[in-house]
Amino acid sequence: NAGVTQTPKFQVLKTGQSMTLQCAQDMNHEYMSWYRQDPGMGLRLIHYSVGAGITDQGEVPNGYNVSRSTTEDFPLRLLSAAPSQTSVYFCASGSRDTTEAFFGQGTRLTVV
Amino acid sequence: ELKVEQNPLFLSMQEGKNYTIYCNYSTTSDRLYWYRQDPGKSLESLFVLLSNGAVKQEGRLMASLDTKARLSTLHITAAVHDLSATYFCAVDPTDSWGKLQFGAGTQVVVTP
Repeated sequence: NAGVTQTPKFQVLKTGQSMTLQCAQDMNHEYMSWYRQDPGMGLRLIHYSVGAGITDQGEVPNGYNVSRSTTEDFPLRLLSAAPSQTSVYFCASGSRDTTEAFFGQGTRLTVV
Repeated sequence: ELKVEQNPLFLSMQEGKNYTIYCNYSTTSDRLYWYRQDPGKSLESLFVLLSNGAVKQEGRLMASLDTKARLSTLHITAAVHDLSATYFCAVDPTDSWGKLQFGAGTQVVVTP
């Protein structure tokens, strides 16, 4: 059981480039979320989804897109990377039936 | 808007002594989580508190929840070096299932 898998683990982008951070879970969880973690600020919600085809914005959605075509996958797209998007990104999944939110190992992104 | 405040943000502990981390939140909540994070790592779930008066203990850590006061505490008994980490509380708002709101984190350093 792999849990929540994020790829890549590390990425360096140039300003203006686009890329997709991948997140997959194999626990059949309904909800999945993307967070970013910056020093001294805890984790902030970017986008989340309560099921395939349903997404909504979190606290800091600007500059990011998401889609959820399957229960398992929830990719995060950076449309035009900016240095302010340098951060560590975490994907999480959970279910109404569970009492835990499961986190991936994170993607450390640097935009230069 | 839900706010989650942790204090202190930094805690220097002496081995063998007891300490408490506080987590206040501003609205009703269905679930409150405590996580531990080691440098460069993902979040490790410590406790999930689901109801008023809930108390959970694991080793030297004990967490409690007072939903009327909107306060959770993480108590550390007889601190040891292995407990050095950053601790986060997170709240799952009653009406926003799956959208965790995190505190800023408490960095704990335990010294002899």
